[in-house]
Amino acid sequence: DAKTTQPTSMDCAEGRAANLPCNHSTISGNEYVYWYRQIHSQGPQYIIHGLKNNETNEMASLIITEDRKSSTLILPHATLRDTAVYYCIGPGSGNTGKLIFGQGTTLQVKP
Amino acid sequence: DAGVTQSPTHLIKTRGQQVTLRCSPKSGHDTVSWYQQALGQGPQFIFQYYEEEERQRGNFPDRFSGHQFPNYSSELNVNALLLGDSALYLCASSLRTGWWNEQFFGPGTRLTVL
Repeated sequence: DAKTTQPTSMDCAEGRAANLPCNHSTISGNEYVYWYRQIHSQGPQYIIHGLKNNETNEMASLIITEDRKSSTLILPHATLRDTAVYYCIGPGSGNTGKLIFGQGTTLQVKP
Repeated sequence: DAGVTQSPTHLIKTRGQQVTLRCSPKSGHDTVSWYQQALGQGPQFIFQYYEEEERQRGNFPDRFSGHQFPNYSSELNVNALLLGDSALYLCASSLRTGWWNEQFFGPGTRLTVL
């Protein structure tokens, strides 16, 4: 079973920052946290991953708490095309390329 | 670069039949993983292949089997199909040496079992 907790759904206004939280309290010290998203009828798409430090790439920023029990994915300027299911993945993956998906958060970006 | 490709796009089978799904990984990738995604659910890990061997397996029965070829492409076989096998089957490719990095997913094969 998935070992992450995410809100079922969230709304965000277009152009505003979208902050998606995730609880992964059972993560072990060397397990990465990954974020993927899935736009309707497509395969999941990698967004970002991190271990301890905050990470940023061209798509998003990842803020990981110091105790590593939770993280927040930040989309700085959400667009309508960011409407998707966002998955936080971590505990149980064992850093072996096996991704354990939960239910994810459905993000609806509204004009 | 074509990315990860899967075939066929859609497939309709009846209970008890057997099915084979195919996946070509992204150029340069050597590891292929398969996932099953039921409607409204997150993808569930089936198994992972590297160097033509099954390296990891999720909680799926032996009816689900796979193969990886020398060119790194892969097949997923499901025998004795059940209605519950209806799902989107996703293939993901990655580099073994970079397991901590991103996996690239294909568009999936939609299997319907009647």
